[in-house]
Amino acid sequence: QVQLVESGGGLVKPGGSLRLSCAASGFTFSDYYMSWIRQAPGKGLEWVSYISTRGSTIFYSDSVRGRFTISRDNAKNSLYLQMNSLRAEDTAVYFCARFRLLLAPFDPWGQGTLVTVSS
Amino acid sequence: SYVLTQPPSVSVAPGQTARITCGGNNIGSKSVHWYQQKPGQAPVLVVYDDSDRPSGIPERFSGSNSGNTATLTISRVEAGDEADYYCQVWDSTSDHPVFGGGTKLTVL
Repeated sequence: QVQLVESGGGLVKPGGSLRLSCAASGFTFSDYYMSWIRQAPGKGLEWVSYISTRGSTIFYSDSVRGRFTISRDNAKNSLYLQMNSLRAEDTAVYFCARFRLLLAPFDPWGQGTLVTVSS
Repeated sequence: SYVLTQPPSVSVAPGQTARITCGGNNIGSKSVHWYQQKPGQAPVLVVYDDSDRPSGIPERFSGSNSGNTATLTISRVEAGDEADYYCQVWDSTSDHPVFGGGTKLTVL
């Protein structure tokens, strides 16, 4: 079955860095766009970034542009999010999700990994 | 940027019909997707492209979209439907996805 499993979350100090991973299985990873979406504690969903099938198209939200870098390794069926210069407001559960192309829905989502930025 | 507006909460008795709205400028011209999120879980797609249901989603879940409002309708509401619901569209000017603020459905 289609499965997305995030890892790499944890506690980090403000200004620090963290790298999230999303391992995909059960589908042809290279056929799908992939995205990171986050949810701060008690808050709604916020899109973070997405990457096209071969990585040629990448978009970031204004809140993370210049600090976060999305990438993928189709040979390893994996998606990544390098997060630098972390701030308290980046504290959230980070979900990875696949989508077929622009305008398509996100389906499915991984279970999420918690990132806490605190001194 | 494109903004989606949802009511913070909707309450309904078991067996009744719940309607959750999602407002946006000329949202009827866009494809709207709806997600259900239960506490501590990842969001799950329940309606896509305004009114289509993924496999495994009960027929009780339906959607419509016209003018400035999209609506998720849940018929014969059950206790297990209690969750947060989010609408989502793609902003054509930026090619970014946009989420509504979410609606907490309470089953009385």
